[in-house]
Amino acid sequence: NAGVTQTPKFQVLKTGQSMTLQCAQDMNHEYMSWYRQDPGMGLRLIHYSVGAGITDQGEVPNGYNVSRSTTEDFPLRLLSAAPSQTSVYFCASRPNRGRVKAGELFFGEGSRLTVL
Amino acid sequence: AQSVTQLGSHVSVSEGALVLLRCNYSSSVPPYLFWYVQYPNQGLQLLLKYTSAATLVKGINGFEAEFKKSETSFHLTKPSAHMSDAAEYFCAVTSGGATNKLIFGTGTLLAVQP
Repeated sequence: NAGVTQTPKFQVLKTGQSMTLQCAQDMNHEYMSWYRQDPGMGLRLIHYSVGAGITDQGEVPNGYNVSRSTTEDFPLRLLSAAPSQTSVYFCASRPNRGRVKAGELFFGEGSRLTVL
Repeated sequence: AQSVTQLGSHVSVSEGALVLLRCNYSSSVPPYLFWYVQYPNQGLQLLLKYTSAATLVKGINGFEAEFKKSETSFHLTKPSAHMSDAAEYFCAVTSGGATNKLIFGTGTLLAVQP
């Protein structure tokens, strides 16, 4: 059982370049989300989706786009990378069933992005 | 709006000593609270959760947390630290509402000295 799979694990970009972080889950979870983790700031929500075709902004959405064409996949796109986007990115999913389950996220192993 | 505050970004204990990681919450609705653990170069995994059933909650690896409404706290404890407990720990609260987002604290890095 793979769970939540993120690719790539490491990426170095130059300012202005674009790229997509991939996230796939095989647990048939309706809810998927992207967080970024920065030292001293914990995890901050970028975008989330409660089901295929539905996405919404989190706390820090600027500079990022998402789409959800299937239940399994939730890619995160950086259209024009900036040094401020240097971070570790985590994809997480869960079933969409009530407030208790809302706290029980399944995380991928993370993607470490450096923007020069 | 719901939020959590973790006091102490770094905590160091000796092996065998008590572990106490502090978390205080702010919530306009009865809170659902969670502790997550992140081992080096890994994703987060759920350690334990409070969902209004019992105020003392037991989790994996010998950790437990007590919900204290009067103190708006949900501190994480373990009676005897092990070297393998070295990790970063995050307290979190659900936002409530239709989308129920999970809101994290800033994390506490636990070091265990031999």
